[in-house]
Amino acid sequence: NAGVTQTPKFQVLKTGQSMTLQCAQDMNHEYMSWYRQDPGMGLRLIHYSVGAGITDQGEVPNGYNVSRSTTEDFPLRLLSAAPSQTSVYFCASSYLNLAGALGTQYFGPGTRLTVL
Amino acid sequence: RKEVEQDPGPFNVPEGATVAFNCTYSNSASQSFFWYRQDCRKEPKLLMSVYSSGNEDGRFTAQLNRASQYISLLIRDSKLSDSATYLCVVNPPGANNLFFGTGTRLTVIP
Repeated sequence: NAGVTQTPKFQVLKTGQSMTLQCAQDMNHEYMSWYRQDPGMGLRLIHYSVGAGITDQGEVPNGYNVSRSTTEDFPLRLLSAAPSQTSVYFCASSYLNLAGALGTQYFGPGTRLTVL
Repeated sequence: RKEVEQDPGPFNVPEGATVAFNCTYSNSASQSFFWYRQDCRKEPKLLMSVYSSGNEDGRFTAQLNRASQYISLLIRDSKLSDSATYLCVVNPPGANNLFFGTGTRLTVIP
């Protein structure tokens, strides 16, 4: 049981490049999400999904796309990287209870992205 | 106003000390509250949920004050291994996401 896995661990991009951050979970969680963490800002939600085929925007979605074709995978795409997207990116997953409330969020180890 | 606010610290305490963190939340109808712990350059991990009546897990005690809209975390007999950033987390009603505070940094000194 690997939990939540993320690749790559580190990435350096040039402004304007695109890339995909991978996230997978093997806990059969319905809910998956992407956060970015910047000094002094805390974790901010980029996009989330409550199940395969369903995605929605979080607090800071601009410049990012997501898709959820399977329960297990939730990739995050940077369309045209900008220096402001330099950050640590965390993927997380959790179950949803019968009332639709979130259970414990399990985080991946993070991807440290630098955009030059 | 932010959904969740925390004192960023840092809190520097000697081993064996008792330390408490508070966190305030803006949505009075919020029902789910958590404390997460994050070690340097690592991912956040659940420390404990916070229940209405308060709850304890070993040296850690979490409490909820709905009237004043804050949650607290008390750590007794601090250990060096408690050094970390503690994140306050709230799940407002109808929100399909959690709101994280910016975290309170704790350093336990030998």
